[in-house]
Amino acid sequence: SQELEQSPQSLIVQEGKNLTINCTSSKTLYGLYWYKQKYGEGLIFLMMLQKGGEEKSHEKITAKLDEKKQQSSLHITASQPSHAGIYLCGADIWGNAGNMLTFGGGTRLMVKP
Amino acid sequence: NAGVTQTPKFRVLKTGQSMTLLCAQDMNHEYMYWYRQDPGMGLRLIHYSVGEGTTAKGEVPDGYNVSRLKKQNFLLGLESAAPSQTSVYFCASSRAGVSSYEQYFGPGTRLTVT
Repeated sequence: SQELEQSPQSLIVQEGKNLTINCTSSKTLYGLYWYKQKYGEGLIFLMMLQKGGEEKSHEKITAKLDEKKQQSSLHITASQPSHAGIYLCGADIWGNAGNMLTFGGGTRLMVKP
Repeated sequence: NAGVTQTPKFRVLKTGQSMTLLCAQDMNHEYMYWYRQDPGMGLRLIHYSVGEGTTAKGEVPDGYNVSRLKKQNFLLGLESAAPSQTSVYFCASSRAGVSSYEQYFGPGTRLTVT
């Protein structure tokens, strides 16, 4: 989606290293959702952020939405091979108009043992 | 619970052929969605439904039709397949209301149009 830009597009890290994935929009985000996709499978919901400055954590994954609600970051601490996959950010950029989400292009993460 | 299931998992079509993809969910969700995923483009919404008997267009609806005759099923049809419709198709479902954006996805259908 051109509305949501993810960076980097791909990432290879050594096990144990930290990493950050970014999701940026030119429009105000009414909600930002992070999903993970294992290769060849469907998406699994990770976290939802709605308020500016909001930060949520689940195990070793932390996501934050900036104050202006136009950028989100996903940070993984001490990466493990189980973290490998495609991370996608999805956002409501219409503001409750039909419950539709637009998605970024995804970030492919590989974790080398 | 099986969650969201999709049939078939793989399909190869020739240009001009038609087919229907079936999505079923057993979570009693109100909302259902069809997406396509292409390399570097993330997921794009084709059509969606906010209830039995209702459908609406998403970002890329051209060349596709949908029907939601039963709450648990959401069908995606291709009347005359084109090579540009080669993609991986995902179905998703969600509850209605403020938590509706937490979507549950099926495993995907890989479609190739030659």
